[in-house]
Amino acid sequence: AQKITQTQPGMFVQEKEAVTLDCTYDTSDPSYGLFWYKQPSSGEMIFLIYQGSYDQQNATEGRYSLNFQKARKSANLVISASQLGDSAMYFCAMRDGPNTGNQFYFGTGTSLTVIP
Amino acid sequence: EPEVTQTPSHQVTQMGQEVILRCVPISNHLYFYWYRQILGQKVEFLVSFYNNEISEKSEIFDDQFSVERPDGSNFTLKIRSTKLEDSAMYFCASLFEAGRYEQYFGPGTRLTVT
Repeated sequence: AQKITQTQPGMFVQEKEAVTLDCTYDTSDPSYGLFWYKQPSSGEMIFLIYQGSYDQQNATEGRYSLNFQKARKSANLVISASQLGDSAMYFCAMRDGPNTGNQFYFGTGTSLTVIP
Repeated sequence: EPEVTQTPSHQVTQMGQEVILRCVPISNHLYFYWYRQILGQKVEFLVSFYNNEISEKSEIFDDQFSVERPDGSNFTLKIRSTKLEDSAMYFCASLFEAGRYEQYFGPGTRLTVT
């Protein structure tokens, strides 16, 4: 079974609008971490935001926020006030806790295009 | 700000040849990882390394692959006999085991096997 599922291969958003990128995950470990990374066309992986399984509040980092719904096992990324520089691939990832080897799992990614 | 570095940025090799990809993780980090990303596809986990030994590896990481931390700063991935399907971007990452589990990626090495 897929550990991380990203169902949106491509998304478009108008500049200055908000956009939500979907991510669902699957784990039986009570301790886990959820991450979003941005990969621009240059190829590097840029860490955006982290949510721990025990965190009570949704994580926020500037224009990025993570809509964490634990019961639904979803960790959607919300980008507010989109900018042209936000056009990139976005990967959701999860790290299981120590019981399952601390491995990172990545989704298939969502390609975001910001339209002027 | 400390960063993970990788060399070379691009490596071209012939099928059957051995390649060594090099990484310098962030100095106080304890966990080290290699991932690969075939062009246009998702990032795939290869191997994790902790306390001078492999802690976990994926099914991709077969006998053709090996990792080493030869001198306390470098972390290398060796592919003994490259195949065409090894062509990919290889990312090194490191992690300081403290709460946030934030993993820092290097810029990647693009390996092209001809």
